[in-house]
Amino acid sequence: AQSVTQPDIHITVSEGASLELRCNYSYGATPYLFWYVQSPGQGLQLLLKYFSGDTLVQGIKGFEAEFKRSQSSFNLRKPSVHWSDAAEYFCAVVKYGNKLVFGAGTILRVKS
Amino acid sequence: GAVVSQHPSWVICKSGTSVKIECRSLDFQATTMFWYRQFPKQSLMLMATSNEGSKATYEQGVEKDKFLINHASLTLSTLTVTSAHPEDSSFYICSAISTGVAGYNEQFFGPGTRLTVL
Repeated sequence: AQSVTQPDIHITVSEGASLELRCNYSYGATPYLFWYVQSPGQGLQLLLKYFSGDTLVQGIKGFEAEFKRSQSSFNLRKPSVHWSDAAEYFCAVVKYGNKLVFGAGTILRVKS
Repeated sequence: GAVVSQHPSWVICKSGTSVKIECRSLDFQATTMFWYRQFPKQSLMLMATSNEGSKATYEQGVEKDKFLINHASLTLSTLTVTSAHPEDSSFYICSAISTGVAGYNEQFFGPGTRLTVL
């Protein structure tokens, strides 16, 4: 069965520092992978997605993610974090049809 | 575009009462809507899938008589938590898609509804 693991529950980075959020998936075929961000009082917002093609995917707000089949990973990165990036981040994979399976989430804290 | 709203954003009710949560697609027709439940510090768990004009499909372990879902129009789906109990307290999130494109269709998420049952 498809599953998603986000090993880090919380991550704290300094403003301006680089960020990497980890995501590992379990899926037999080529997965459809997503990163979402959830801010308090707001719905989940899609940051980026990977379906096929170039394994380095660019998203909104300066985020990017790299699909590595050999490591079953889809880590999210940002070269310089802003205080407004503090939120919870979810990695997800398509289960079948249009259903999504989410990871447990990683809470990002940004310190000034 | 692709905005999904939920109402109410926060509701408190007494144990034993029923609560209705609305999910609306504001600027597109949603042929399919999904309902998720999110516990504190945990991920979103899919509860059910609703297609306009047909019965909802519930995920394993979700009580269909407890969580009634109606998708009567292309812009509105409702989730009714019947005879709510404190363990039903949670954050309920809906999402909507507009099918018509082959392959995966992006889900657009509502802001969620916080339910507290006393």
